[in-house]
Amino acid sequence: ETGVTQTPRHLVMGMTNKKSLKCEQHLGHNAMYWYKQSAKKPLELMFVYNFKEQTENNSVPSRFSPECPNSSHLFLHLHTLQPEDSALYLCASSHRRVYRGGTGELFFGEGSRLTVL
Amino acid sequence: AQKITQTQPGMFVQEKEAVTLDCTYDTSDQSYGLFWYKQPSSGEMIFLIYQGSYDEQNATEGRYSLNFQKARKSANLVISASQLGDSAMYFCAIPTGANNLFFGTGTRLTVIP
Repeated sequence: ETGVTQTPRHLVMGMTNKKSLKCEQHLGHNAMYWYKQSAKKPLELMFVYNFKEQTENNSVPSRFSPECPNSSHLFLHLHTLQPEDSALYLCASSHRRVYRGGTGELFFGEGSRLTVL
Repeated sequence: AQKITQTQPGMFVQEKEAVTLDCTYDTSDQSYGLFWYKQPSSGEMIFLIYQGSYDEQNATEGRYSLNFQKARKSANLVISASQLGDSAMYFCAIPTGANNLFFGTGTRLTVIP
């Protein structure tokens, strides 16, 4: 059983819909991350939160809106998405930020597979 | 900028045999770490092993070991005594910036009974 839980596991939405992805970590970690995994592409970092504060936005389009109400919960609000946004969205957490030379490994959830029609 | 290259899109190994998954990297950092993650079909990325650039010994974790050759900038993952449950995607990663892990494109390993 993973310490990071993502819901829903699968989501199909139209381009005009508004939906949200939820992530919850039970590991007492301080940092949470959203990654996007598209077919045949490396994982792309989207957002990072440390102690509920957003510390990184990797030039993500505004149709993706993150929310971190506390250190245990992270949301990704979706609206007016495009078909190319179809991907596996992975949430992760770490005890401390991943930094050069550090050992702050990431703990991932099983992902939310999003299909945009 | 960090760079990770995994040149093997797919690998096959017989059950109980050992297999090496290649990873080369490029970084301008003097001190860095290298991570390997496993992604089974369920989607979850599972941390396997970590190597610090100044660690004198190659990292080992159970059946996983890292063949770290700093001069060649390679950090190959060796899986000994392969099991059917090892069939998955394997990603090599290196920290970039303060908050991010940069991942390679991965290698799909299939263990044959």
